[in-house]
Amino acid sequence: DIQMTQSPSFLSASVGDRVTINCKASQNINRYLNWYQQKLGEAPKLLIYNANSLQTGIPSRFSGSGSGTDFTLTISSLQPEDVATYFCLQHNSWPRTFGGGTKLELK
Amino acid sequence: EVQLVESGGGLVQPGRSLKLSCAASGFTFSNYGMHWIRQAPTKGLEWVASISPSGGSTYYRDSVKGRFTIYRDNAKSTLYLQMDSLRSEDTATYYCATDEDSHSYWGQGVMVTVSS
Repeated sequence: DIQMTQSPSFLSASVGDRVTINCKASQNINRYLNWYQQKLGEAPKLLIYNANSLQTGIPSRFSGSGSGTDFTLTISSLQPEDVATYFCLQHNSWPRTFGGGTKLELK
Repeated sequence: EVQLVESGGGLVQPGRSLKLSCAASGFTFSNYGMHWIRQAPTKGLEWVASISPSGGSTYYRDSVKGRFTIYRDNAKSTLYLQMDSLRSEDTATYYCATDEDSHSYWGQGVMVTVSS
């Protein structure tokens, strides 16, 4: 199974900050990496698919990069509504595996 | 508007069975693979099972192989998860989802509690 190591697990930042979250795959997953945002009590929502494609309706302050084994989600200017937990998911092979999550809070 | 509505959750004793359903609307159900994903209380997301658009191919995580069965009825636009021999570690909110490139929709989830 492909292990997805997500870091950091917890992040505190201020409004306007640039925030980066990382996922590292235990083996090459090409660009088959999605990023999701989950707010408290809600279902996850897709932000980025296939490493760097912005989902329709998602603000452009969110971006994704990477390929192979190392991936990054960037929020260019943190907004209060971005408080949430973020997960990566590899869909290169079965079984699908998620990263452990990054809980983002406002400082 | 795309909607995925799960049902069938509840409290069940260890070793017993439960069947989850997911009613889909707003898209051509038979064109898309479907997934069950779960989240234990205060934990992360865990992929459980997937099924191809026709239902001809299925995939499971190791811990549920032989106990859970994913299947679909394309005429009814409904996805199912038959869960047998339930264990306490299966306690979670179960989400159904379709997730192919930008076509990503998740239900609101249904809670399954396995406890005596």
